[in-house]
Order: sequence, then C-alpha cells, then structure tokens
Amino acid sequence: SQQGEEDPQALSIQEGENATMNCSYKTSINNLQWYRQNSGRGLVHLILIRSNEREKHSGRLRVTLDTSKKSSSLLITASRAADTASYFCATGFSGNTPLVFGKGTRLSVIA
Amino acid sequence: DGGITQSPKYLFRKEGQNVTLSCEQNLNHDAMYWYRQDPGQGLRLIYYSQIVNDFQKGDIAEGYSVSREKKESFPLTVTSAQKNPTAFYLCASSIGNRGEQFFGPGTRLTVL
Repeated sequence: SQQGEEDPQALSIQEGENATMNCSYKTSINNLQWYRQNSGRGLVHLILIRSNEREKHSGRLRVTLDTSKKSSSLLITASRAADTASYFCATGFSGNTPLVFGKGTRLSVIA
Repeated sequence: DGGITQSPKYLFRKEGQNVTLSCEQNLNHDAMYWYRQDPGQGLRLIYYSQIVNDFQKGDIAEGYSVSREKKESFPLTVTSAQKNPTAFYLCASSIGNRGEQFFGPGTRLTVL
C-alpha cells in the first residue's frame, strides 16, 4: 500500500508542551500535506511541503521532510487544549493520482 | 461564502435501501472526492472525479456509485450491495489532484 503511516497512533500531553507526530511513506512523492480533524467534523488543511523542501513553518506548526528516509514530522509548539484533534498526513504523487491519507495520530492536550 | 457542503448531516438507512448523499461545492474546483471513515481509522477513497462526466474508482468502490453531471455536484449513492455501510462519509474538492483538499462537514450514515 502507498498509504502513509503516522506514529504514534495516540499522544497525550500537557498544555504548553510540544507535540511531535511522524509520518512515513513508501514511494516517491511530489508533496506531503498535514490535515487536522476535530471529532465528528471534516478535515482542515494545515500545511503542504513539497518534495524539494526540507522544512516549513506556519504559526506554531513546523513540518520537516526527509525524502531520503521517506518521512515527515509535524511539530506543534506550545500546545493548547484547542489543539486536541486527530492529525493526518497525506501524500501527493506525480501523475494524476489523488492524495493518499494515513490513519492519523490522535492528540489529546490536557489543560 | 465559498465552501463545500454535504447533506444530510445524519442519515439512517434500512437494510436493502439505496441512499444518496449530497455534496456541493462553489469553489470552482475541478476535482472532487468521496471518502469513507470508520471509527478511529483514516480515510479510504471511494470514488473521485477530475472533470465533469468522468470519474474513477478508488480503493473501496464496491457497493457505491457516483455521478458528475455538474462541476459543482458529486452525489454518492450507497447501494444495497454495500454490506457494511455504517460509517462517516466525507466529500472533498481540490483544484488539482495533488493540491490542498477542502472538506465538507461529513454525513454520518447508520444502517438500522
């Protein structure tokens, strides 16, 4: 399967701590994206990193991409209770195939 | 407001019934997608469409059908051939296949 795999499956931290989630994939990609899903809602796009980029920032989010290891990480700094959600990576390939989503990491931020 | 809408929010189906889930977008996106999500799981692609009057099967198309007669609309029919249809269904759209996807709020389907 080309599906990305997130690690860990679940993560519980205290408010103010940093949260790191990882995503590994198997084949060459054009880009990698991270999405967030609050319980019972649709997904919301957070950030996209292209295969020729190594790091990208957006607010409290930092994404890294290591194409040699076929892996990416999402770091949320100074976490808040409102960051509690599931986070998914999605890989975009060359050609005309749609994104492939991983199974997600469930993040719980305890106030 | 630009966005993507799904209706209904909750849907109940009896055994043997076909039901249709609505998905509409006013983002002028060419590509639209249907995903199924089971509890605690990721998204699995059911069908996708890159242009009007054309669509392709995803990983779990059996028991589902779609149409794309208008750019704005991509309805999904869950047929009686789908043996385990209880799930959360998400519709999404994007400009191109590799770009950011915009998601609707989802429809929760329950078989009674």
